[in-house]
Amino acid sequence: RKEVEQDPGPFNVPEGATVAFNCTYSNSASQSFFWYRQDCRKEPKLLMSVYSSGNEDGRFTAQLNRASQYISLLIRDSKLSDSATYLCVVENSGYALNFGKGTSLLVTP
Amino acid sequence: DTAVSQTPKYLVTQMGNDKSIKCEQNLGHDTMYWYKQDSKKFLKIMFSYNNKELIINETVPNRFSPKSPDKAHLNLHINSLELGDSAVYFCASSRPGTGIREQYFGPGTRLTVT
Repeated sequence: RKEVEQDPGPFNVPEGATVAFNCTYSNSASQSFFWYRQDCRKEPKLLMSVYSSGNEDGRFTAQLNRASQYISLLIRDSKLSDSATYLCVVENSGYALNFGKGTSLLVTP
Repeated sequence: DTAVSQTPKYLVTQMGNDKSIKCEQNLGHDTMYWYKQDSKKFLKIMFSYNNKELIINETVPNRFSPKSPDKAHLNLHINSLELGDSAVYFCASSRPGTGIREQYFGPGTRLTVT
C-alpha cells in the first residue's frame, strides 16, 4: 500500500465550480501535512499547509482528519489558472516529504 | 534572485556515462534534498542532508552519490548511467528548526539516458 494515496483524476470542471480532492495516508505517526501544486513541466510549489483545525486561504480550504488519516482540499470558484496537478504531501520524521501521485485538475471556460 | 537553482536544466547522455547535477540555494536553509520524478510523475525522496550531513538515504543505487561541500550546495553525481535513470531530478531545501517546514524546489533537471 502506498504511503499517500490520491485519486489521479483528471477532474474537468467549468470555471466557477467548486471541486474537492481527497487523500489518505498510511503512517499514523505522520507529523505535517501539505498540499503542493505542480504545473506542467515545473517544480512543485507549496499551496498550503494543513492543520488539524482546518484552514482556509482565499478560495482554498484544507482539512485534516487524523483519526481517519484523511486530508482534503476544497477549491471554490475555480479559475482557469487553477489548472494544475495537486499533490497531497505528508512529512514523517527526518524531514523528507512523501508525495501522493497527484490529482490533475483542468478548469475549462 | 533564484532561491533554489539547478544546473543543467536538461541533460542528455548515453548509457554508461557519469554525470553530475548541481544545486545551490540562497535561502540560508540548512537542509537540502534530492527527489526523483519518474515518467509516471511520481515524486520520490532520494537523499536529505542537514548541515552537510546525510540524514536520509532511501533505497537508491550506490551509483548515485550526493555531495554537500557546504550548507548552500548539494550536488548529485551519477555513475554508469542506465536507461531507467531517465527522470526529472528536483533539488529542494528547507529552513532549520522544528515545526512546519516548507520545502522550496529547484526548477528540476530533466535527465534523458539514451
